Amino acid sequence: EPEVTQTPSHQVTQMGQEVILRCVPISNHLYFYWYRQILGQKVEFLVSFYNNEISEKSEIFDDQFSVERPDGSNFTLKIRSTKLEDSAMYFCASSETGLAGYTFGSGTRLTVV
Amino acid sequence: KQEVTQIPAALSVPEGENLVLNCSFTDSAIYNLQWFRQDPGKGLTSLLLIQSSQREQTSGRLNASLDKSSGRSTLYIAASQPGDSATYLCAVKMDSNYQLIWGAGTKLIIKP
Repeated sequence: EPEVTQTPSHQVTQMGQEVILRCVPISNHLYFYWYRQILGQKVEFLVSFYNNEISEKSEIFDDQFSVERPDGSNFTLKIRSTKLEDSAMYFCASSETGLAGYTFGSGTRLTVV
Repeated sequence: KQEVTQIPAALSVPEGENLVLNCSFTDSAIYNLQWFRQDPGKGLTSLLLIQSSQREQTSGRLNASLDKSSGRSTLYIAASQPGDSATYLCAVKMDSNYQLIWGAGTKLIIKP
């Protein structure tokens, strides 16, 4: 069964550093998403991406965050100047259409120290 | 603003029992509802997707129902097994946007 692949599975970074989280969505999917889950809290929407542009973003997704599809297969989330409160599990997801069900990756656990 | 609530927050039952997990939402203008499973420290595995026009979906021992007008969905697990132990999350997609809005989950423990 097709999978969404995320790398790395765990990243530790120092406060103030930039991190890039990587995702390879399912190949025929057109919509891509990032979500995050702070330990013990609900899963939260960050951003959706379609046709090489952001289609929707949440209040969390401020200027500190950016997304990119640098080639035909990767989808990245960049977090500039990381803060302690950015520590969370970050999930990438993709869907065939904007209204279809999602397939999630296994997540990247980001720890900011 | 849509709010999704899952009750109970935790549930522990003996192996072999049938059980029901509940999900409620405040705004009935949903496009679909999806049930996920999350194992500790792991990703989100999709279990069932119900479109707003559907009443239920089945996959193996799992059955999910949707009553859109009353803002409720249930996940029925038949003949529970220790391997079913996980956190079960429901998430709704609204008609008006792309994002999923999540419940806090029900942590299920099946005792051998």
